[in-house]
Amino acid sequence: GENVEQHPSTLSVQEGDSAVIKCTYSDSASNYFPWYKQELGKRPQLIIDIRSNVGEKKDQRIAVTLNKTAKHFSLHITETQPEDSAVYFCAAKGYTEGAQKLVFGQGTRLTINP
Amino acid sequence: DADVTQTPRNRITKTGKRIMLECSQTKGHDRMYWYRQDPGLGLRLIYYSFDVKDINKGEISDGYSVSRQAQAKFSLSLESAIPNQTALYFCATSTGTGNYGYTFGSGTRLTVV
Repeated sequence: GENVEQHPSTLSVQEGDSAVIKCTYSDSASNYFPWYKQELGKRPQLIIDIRSNVGEKKDQRIAVTLNKTAKHFSLHITETQPEDSAVYFCAAKGYTEGAQKLVFGQGTRLTINP
Repeated sequence: DADVTQTPRNRITKTGKRIMLECSQTKGHDRMYWYRQDPGLGLRLIYYSFDVKDINKGEISDGYSVSRQAQAKFSLSLESAIPNQTALYFCATSTGTGNYGYTFGSGTRLTVV
């Protein structure tokens, strides 16, 4: 079944710098890759997603890239701000135990230092 | 968003007690999920349901049971709570067609003492 690895587990950057979080997946049939942001004590919320027929997608300061050949996708945050501090989860929609559902990475705790 | 609602928000219970966590949704989604989140860990799937008559175990179902009372309601029960079930629990929903993400509820923080 699908397996998703996410790196790094923690990331600390200076305000205004860029942050990059990377994920790899194992199932070449996976076709949908969302990213979630979870602020402290709150629910995970979808911030951006990409489908397998697209290589890159951008929404203001965040972007996601997908390399299907290498089976990896990345989240890029530019001009980071304190409110970007959160835990970020990647996910891939693939088959596990006979059903197609999202498989989540382990999460990255991003800290923006003022 | 109030479209996926979990109750209670916080609960402290004693070891050995039965407890039910409830989830209801107004999104009209067919699929519902229960996840557990421990500090420093990611989201682990407990149970999921693709429609009212469909219940499936996730990766950590031992010690838990679920009931899908209606399309909009999915409950998680701990028959005999134990301290290592202390965690943050999330319900999530999704459509059964197309490629779209999950919508998560606001979570239930459960403490077993």
